[in-house]
Amino acid sequence: EAQVTQNPRYLITVTGKKLTVTCSQNMNHEYMSWYRQDPGLGLRQIYYSMNVEVTDKGDVPEGYKVSRKEKRNFPLILESPSPNQTSLYFCASSSAGNSNQPQHFGDGTRLSIL
Amino acid sequence: AQTVTQSQPEMSVQEAETVTLSCTYDTSENNYYLFWYKQPPSRQMILVIRQEAYKQQNATENRFSVNFQKAAKSFSLKISDSQLGDTAMYFCAFMTPVLNDMRFGAGTRLTVKP
Repeated sequence: EAQVTQNPRYLITVTGKKLTVTCSQNMNHEYMSWYRQDPGLGLRQIYYSMNVEVTDKGDVPEGYKVSRKEKRNFPLILESPSPNQTSLYFCASSSAGNSNQPQHFGDGTRLSIL
Repeated sequence: AQTVTQSQPEMSVQEAETVTLSCTYDTSENNYYLFWYKQPPSRQMILVIRQEAYKQQNATENRFSVNFQKAAKSFSLKISDSQLGDTAMYFCAFMTPVLNDMRFGAGTRLTVKP
């Protein structure tokens, strides 16, 4: 089954404790991205990657890092989380250069930073 | 910069009736794609319908159809014969080719009442 898998689904942690949210896709997609969803703001892009070893900032990259060492994986790293990063996070993937194909989304990660 | 505006934070409709969700966007691009995503309480992001800007014909998917007005930069979603399962948050999204840079509106929360 084609899917984007995020882990964990839920996480409560404390300020300053480094965390990683993993994202994996099994569709051989070149393009992957991370979004955060906040009430009244919709989804905003954090980082995206057009292919292995190629990453770029989205609209709200501050406080986040990503890496793309393998095509299937695109982890989101919060080196020193802060309460304003409490949000719902989505990973998505799609075939690059073919925007007619929609992005496939993971099921989301609810992150709470105390 | 591309922006997407959904001016209706919340809407409600009686079961079996028709409802229209509004979306406008701003772009200087001529080639782009538009999407409506549904997010039920399960938080999944589910593609409802998509429209290529170069196509004049409005897209339809069963009970879902769009009214795409390119000159007015408007992309509304019409849901016919509303069902209880249509209760969800609906996001309008805009994407340009090559970059796969997807922009979302703030969302419209739709409640279908029995």
